[in-house]
Formats: sequence, C-alpha cells, structure tokens
Amino acid sequence: NAGVTQTPKFRVLKTGQSMTLLCAQDMNHEYMYWYRQDPGMGLRLIHYSVGEGTTAKGEVPDGYNVSRLKKQNFLLGLESAAPSQTSVYFCASSTVPVYEQYFGPGTRLTVT
Amino acid sequence: SQQGEEDPQALSIQEGENATMNCSYKTSINNLQWYRQNSGRGLVHLILIRSNEREKHSGRLRVTLDTSKKSSSLLITASRAADTASYFCATEHIQGGSEKLVFGKGMKLTVNP
Repeated sequence: NAGVTQTPKFRVLKTGQSMTLLCAQDMNHEYMYWYRQDPGMGLRLIHYSVGEGTTAKGEVPDGYNVSRLKKQNFLLGLESAAPSQTSVYFCASSTVPVYEQYFGPGTRLTVT
Repeated sequence: SQQGEEDPQALSIQEGENATMNCSYKTSINNLQWYRQNSGRGLVHLILIRSNEREKHSGRLRVTLDTSKKSSSLLITASRAADTASYFCATEHIQGGSEKLVFGKGMKLTVNP
C-alpha cells in the first residue's frame, strides 16, 4: 500500500497563476482533508470531504476550491495564487472523522 | 481558539533521558491524539486516548489524560536520536455540526546523541 500520496512535491508559482494539487489514497477511506502548515500556526484545515462527491469548508477555505470526483482522489485548486498561500500543504485521510488520520508527505508551495 | 497547546514549545535532551510534553485544551473532548512529524515529512499518528481513559501505553510512549484539568501529557522513555521530531496533540471538536480534529501548533523535541 502506498498510503496517501501527493503530487507535486514542490512548486513555485507567480502571483495570479492557478494550479491543482492532487491527493490519492489507496486505503478506501471515506474522509479526506486538506491542511496547510505555516510556521508557528500548526495545521489548519482548508477543506474536507466526507465521501465521494462531497466537499465542505474548513477553517481557512478562502482562495481554494476542492473536488472529490472519485473516492480515492481529493484535488485542491488555487484559482489565483497569492503570496499568502505560500505554505506546505498536507492531505490526509481517515475511516471516520475523528480517529487516526493518515497523512501524505506534503507539497511545498511558494508563490512569488 | 479550540486548539490544544503544547508545552514546552521546544525541548532538548540527551539520548537515554525521558521526554515529557504537555498539551492543554479549552473545551470538552471525546478523544485526544498525539502525532509526530519528522522534518520535511507528513504527520504520523502515535496514540489516541479517549476521554474515559486516564492512561495509555504504546511501546516507549505513555500518554495520560486529565479531563478535569483539560490536559494531556506524552512521555517518551529512554529517548533515541530518532525521536527528534515535532510532536502535535490533536483534539476532537464539534464545529458547524460535524466533528473535526483540531491540531495544536506543535513542539520540537531534539534528542542529542
């Protein structure tokens, strides 16, 4: 099992550009999450999904969109990147919402 | 903020010593979890303790939970250099009608060989 994988691992964007981060899990988990991690801020939940075809807003959803067309994939889109979105992005999945979450290796995004 | 707060924010010890990290939170919880993050990697789940449990063990890890004080501690015994990492507590909360896991800001443990 690969667990949770994320692509790409690194990306540099210019302000105003758009991109999509892909998360894939092979554990048949219903729940998937996107977090961002910034120094001194811990992990903050951006969006999450409770199953295929569903998405919901987390703590910091502005400037991001998500889609869960297939159970195993959860996409995070940046419509018009801003320097404030420079961060490390983590995807996670779980069987139920408040039990053990499995994390991907992260995507380091820099917006200049 | 509902998130837990780890204390201390940083801890440096010698290999073989014990390391104790604390987490305090503000609202009632159903469970509390501890995660580890090695530099440049994703978080890895260590242990979950439910609100009706007071202590739990997993290998060299011992977690305690005091719901009356709204606090938890993570003890790593006989530490190793490989234990060098950031450690996060995460607490379950009801937000917007659904359950969420809220992570603390983390604390950095350095184990010197």
